[in-house]
Amino acid sequence: DAGVIQSPRHEVTEMGQEVTLRCKLISGHNSLFWYRQTMMRGLELLIYFNNNVPIDDSGMPEDRFSAKMPNASFSTLKIQPSEPRDSAVYFCASSFSGAGNTDTQYFGPGTRLTVL
Amino acid sequence: TQLLEQSPQFLSIQEGENLTVYCNSSSVFSSLQWYRQEPGEGPVLLVTVVTGGEVKKLKRLTFQFGDARKDSSLHITAAQPGDTGLYLCAGGPNFGNEKLTFGTGTRLTIIP
Repeated sequence: DAGVIQSPRHEVTEMGQEVTLRCKLISGHNSLFWYRQTMMRGLELLIYFNNNVPIDDSGMPEDRFSAKMPNASFSTLKIQPSEPRDSAVYFCASSFSGAGNTDTQYFGPGTRLTVL
Repeated sequence: TQLLEQSPQFLSIQEGENLTVYCNSSSVFSSLQWYRQEPGEGPVLLVTVVTGGEVKKLKRLTFQFGDARKDSSLHITAAQPGDTGLYLCAGGPNFGNEKLTFGTGTRLTIIP
């Protein structure tokens, strides 16, 4: 089975531009997580969905960030307008959430975003 | 806010040596996970511990969850170059709750 798929793998853009990151979940998984990783702040949870519903978006930095799940297997993270401080590696992860289990999150390879 | 501090932040040792990495918090976690991340890839789960005092072994890696469920350690015996990577601990606040809090990470380099 294919793992979590993210695109693009690398994105370089100029300040003020809109950036859209994409993620395809592992087939059968029903939870989706967006993380951001930087040297200074480590790995931070931005938002997570369960069964297409946003459960916790307290990690979303500000209104410039938005995330959607248009269907059960796909998600987008949008930054508009982008700023240099948004430069980071963005990961999505998926898991299967079932009663009574400690869920394993499977991470994608990440998108390295550079905002000039 | 729950924080997980890992130590050391960086560790570089010779192949064949033993090492221990620590993950500490002032908060109680119902579960604790350890991940390894290699350059250009996402973190990969190594183990989950859920019971205070629990010890799990994965080949040369030994994981322990503190009795009070506030801390954990990872011990590697006879380290090999393939063990090189970023090691992350992650705490789950409630059993079955999906939100994880990740630690600050330990970057380990094994020198051949």
